Amino acid sequence: GENVEQHPSTLSVQEGDSAVIKCTYSDSASNYFPWYKQELGKRPQLIIDIRSNVGEKKDQRIAVTLNKTAKHFSLHITETQPEDSAVYFCAASIGGGFKTIFGAGTRLFVKA
Amino acid sequence: GAVVSQHPSWVICKSGTSVKIECRSLDFQATTMFWYRQFPKQSLMLMATSNEGSKATYEQGVEKDKFLINHASLTLSTLTVTSAHPEDSSFYICSAPAGGTGNEQFFGPGTRLTVL
Repeated sequence: GENVEQHPSTLSVQEGDSAVIKCTYSDSASNYFPWYKQELGKRPQLIIDIRSNVGEKKDQRIAVTLNKTAKHFSLHITETQPEDSAVYFCAASIGGGFKTIFGAGTRLFVKA
Repeated sequence: GAVVSQHPSWVICKSGTSVKIECRSLDFQATTMFWYRQFPKQSLMLMATSNEGSKATYEQGVEKDKFLINHASLTLSTLTVTSAHPEDSSFYICSAPAGGTGNEQFFGPGTRLTVL
């Protein structure tokens, strides 16, 4: 089955700096890669997603890149703000009706 | 957007009792729903896929007789934790894809289970 690895587990940056979180997946059939932000005790919130027919997607300060050949995908957050502090999860799935497998999570701290 | 609700939001029970958690898709139909468990400071671990009108598909290592799943309608899936023990204490979250060819999963708010 699918296995998603995520690094780093913890990331601390200064406000205004960029943050990068990297993930790899194992199942070449996976074609949908969402990123979630989760605050303590809350449900995961989708912040950006990318499909396998796209190499890069950007939404304001957030961007995601996908390398299908290497089975790598990354989240880039620019101009970080203290409110970006949370746990971020990458995930992979084959399609909407199929199960989503999560990475282990990255705890991001943005220091003011 | 699509909305998924869960009930209860939290529950405390005694060891040995059973607890039922409901997951509802409020404004869309879901033939498939997913159940996750999340321990403190850990990731969401998929427990099972709930299929409307048929048996659930459990992930490796998840006891089907302990975690009973019923998906009796297109908008409701239930997870029953039977004979709960303290090690079952966790955050349980359900999700559902909002139909069509869309990939996005919509998550319920989660249920915090504490077993004394």
